[in-house]
Amino acid sequence: SYELTQALSVSVALGQTATIACGGNSIGARNVHWYQQKPGQAPVLVIYRDNKRPSGIPERFSGSNSGNTATLTISGAQGGDEADYYCQVWDTSSAHVIFGGGTKLTVL
Amino acid sequence: QVQLVQSGAEVKKPGASVKVSCKASGYTFTDHSLHWVRQAPGQSLEWMGCINTANGNTKYSQKFQGRVTITTDTSASAGYMELSSLESEDTAVYYCAKGHFQYSSSSIDNWGQGTLVTVSS
Repeated sequence: SYELTQALSVSVALGQTATIACGGNSIGARNVHWYQQKPGQAPVLVIYRDNKRPSGIPERFSGSNSGNTATLTISGAQGGDEADYYCQVWDTSSAHVIFGGGTKLTVL
Repeated sequence: QVQLVQSGAEVKKPGASVKVSCKASGYTFTDHSLHWVRQAPGQSLEWMGCINTANGNTKYSQKFQGRVTITTDTSASAGYMELSSLESEDTAVYYCAKGHFQYSSSSIDNWGQGTLVTVSS
């Protein structure tokens, strides 16, 4: 079955740019969605279809997807961006939603 | 605004079943798929399955096939997830979530608040 690989944790200095990667075989051929989850809360969609932002999501959040890696970029990271971030795709062959293992973002 | 309000926390014994409900509002229920995702303590998100709310067709994760049943009551704009033969490993927060479109491959754009299910003897 299709698998998505994410680093367990990423750290970024306050105000700097955070990059969170999601690896998968030819993931560039798939639509990738990203979710933010803060402790004790439900996930929130922050990027859909690789690089689209839902209404209400700050422009600081952006996404890209090519080859075997999709990337979520947070520019000017703020303390409020500390959260777990999950990538997600649809696997057509298995007809399953697939989530990555999640990356914990720490803002220093 | 879109809201998905789930039923309250449950404590179940091993071998029992649990049924979690999800009441939707703020959008046309039958225009969007409904997914169920669970999260064990300290773990990642795990997709369980989804339902086409217009025709009732379901897709289930192979991991839960035969143990999970997802249904809807379109007259009440509500969805339900029933999980049987519970084990301690089923202790988790269970989320219902709205698909951006009806097709399963679309993003999931709104989530319920979660329902904690604890399985313990």
